[in-house]
Amino acid sequence: EAQVTQNPRYLITVTGKKLTVTCSQNMNHEYMSWYRQDPGLGLRQIYYSMNVEVTDKGDVPEGYKVSRKEKRNFPLILESPSPNQTSLYFCASSFLTSGRDNEQFFGPGTRLTVL
Amino acid sequence: KQEVTQIPAALSVPEGENLVLNCSFTDSAIYNLQWFRQDPGKGLTSLLLIQSSQREQTSGRLNASLDKSSGRSTLYIAASQPGDSATYLCAVIASGSARQLTFGSGTQLTVLP
Repeated sequence: EAQVTQNPRYLITVTGKKLTVTCSQNMNHEYMSWYRQDPGLGLRQIYYSMNVEVTDKGDVPEGYKVSRKEKRNFPLILESPSPNQTSLYFCASSFLTSGRDNEQFFGPGTRLTVL
Repeated sequence: KQEVTQIPAALSVPEGENLVLNCSFTDSAIYNLQWFRQDPGKGLTSLLLIQSSQREQTSGRLNASLDKSSGRSTLYIAASQPGDSATYLCAVIASGSARQLTFGSGTQLTVLP
């Protein structure tokens, strides 16, 4: 089944404790990105990647890191989480070719709480 | 900067009714527009994608239209069912934006049995 998976789905942690949220897609997509969703602020892009070893900042990159060492994986790293990073996080992927193939697919979400 | 607005914020209809959800965007220079569905606490499910050169797309009971010149899209749901209850999100990719989706705040739809 074609899908985007994220792990963990739920995480409660404390301020300053480094964590990684994994994202993996099995559709051979070049493009992957991370969004966070907050009440009243909607969905905002954190980082994106056009291909392996090519990443760039979205609208809200502060406090986050990413890497793209393999085409299928795009982990989100919080080196020193703070309470304002409590949010619902989504990973997304798509092809970069024009046409219908650039439909974006989202993972199930990771609900992160930082105490 | 591109802004996307969805009206109404919430909508409640009886089962069987046909309904229209509205989406407007401020910059007509878009690459494409995508409609999503989000169930409470869940991920986003892609419903329809409309390329900038297209006027509409259909999938089952759903039909989405796009009028780039006026900065508007509508999602038409025919013969609504309680299972259609969810939040519907509209998102656009601005031309030259590296595929970043700009989302509206969504319309929360409730279909009453």
